[in-house]
Amino acid sequence: AQSVTQLDSQVPVFEEAPVELRCNYSSSVSVYLFWYVQYPNQGLQLLLKYLSGSTLVKGINGFEAEFNKSQTSFHLRKPSVHISDTAEYFCAVTFNDYKLSFGAGTTVTVRA
Amino acid sequence: DTAVSQTPKYLVTQMGNDKSIKCEQNLGHDTMYWYKQDSKKFLKIMFSYNNKELIINETVPNRFSPKSPDKAHLNLHINSLELGDSAVYFCASSHPGRSDTQYFGPGTRLTVL
Repeated sequence: AQSVTQLDSQVPVFEEAPVELRCNYSSSVSVYLFWYVQYPNQGLQLLLKYLSGSTLVKGINGFEAEFNKSQTSFHLRKPSVHISDTAEYFCAVTFNDYKLSFGAGTTVTVRA
Repeated sequence: DTAVSQTPKYLVTQMGNDKSIKCEQNLGHDTMYWYKQDSKKFLKIMFSYNNKELIINETVPNRFSPKSPDKAHLNLHINSLELGDSAVYFCASSHPGRSDTQYFGPGTRLTVL
C-alpha cells in the first residue's frame, strides 16, 4: 500500500533552535517527494522537492531535507528557526500518477 | 501578480443550497486541481483536469461537479450542500508531470450552517 506518514503532529521549538520534521513513505514504485508549508490562513507553498540525484536537497528559507531510500524517509530540517517559521508543514509524495498524496501535517510553533 | 486566485475567499451558506467556487491561474499551466482540507488540516485531492479534460476523479459525491471552460480556469460547483462539506477548498495548478511543482491558491473557506 502507498502511504505518507508524518511522525510528529506538533513540534514546539524555541527561536534560533534547530528543528527536524519527520516524514516516511511506503511505496512499491519510484516516488517524487515534496515538502510544502502553509502559513496561517494561506495556501500551500513549496519548500523543496526531491526528484533524483543528490539526496540532500536545499530549499527556500534555509530549509533542507534528506532523502533516505533504505529508510524510505524524507526528513526536513532547519538549523535555526525564526518566529516567522510558525506554520503547518506537509510532506507529500507522487507515486505513479499526478496526484499529490499528503501526510497529515506537522504544526510547528516557534516561541521566543 | 497573483498566480493562482480563487473567489470567494469565504463562503457561508445554508444546508441544501448550491454554490460555486471559481479558480483562475495565469501561470500557463495545463493541469489544475481541487483539494479539500478538513478541520484537522488533512488535504485530499478531489479532481484534476489536464487541458480541460478530467484526469483524476477521486471518490467525491456527485454533488460536486468541476467545470473547466478553458485551461486557465477550473470552477467547482456544489449542489445540495451538507454540513460535512464545510472545509477549506484549494485550487492548484502545475505542468502535467509527476515531478512538477503544484502552485496553490489562497483557499476558500466554506461554512455550511
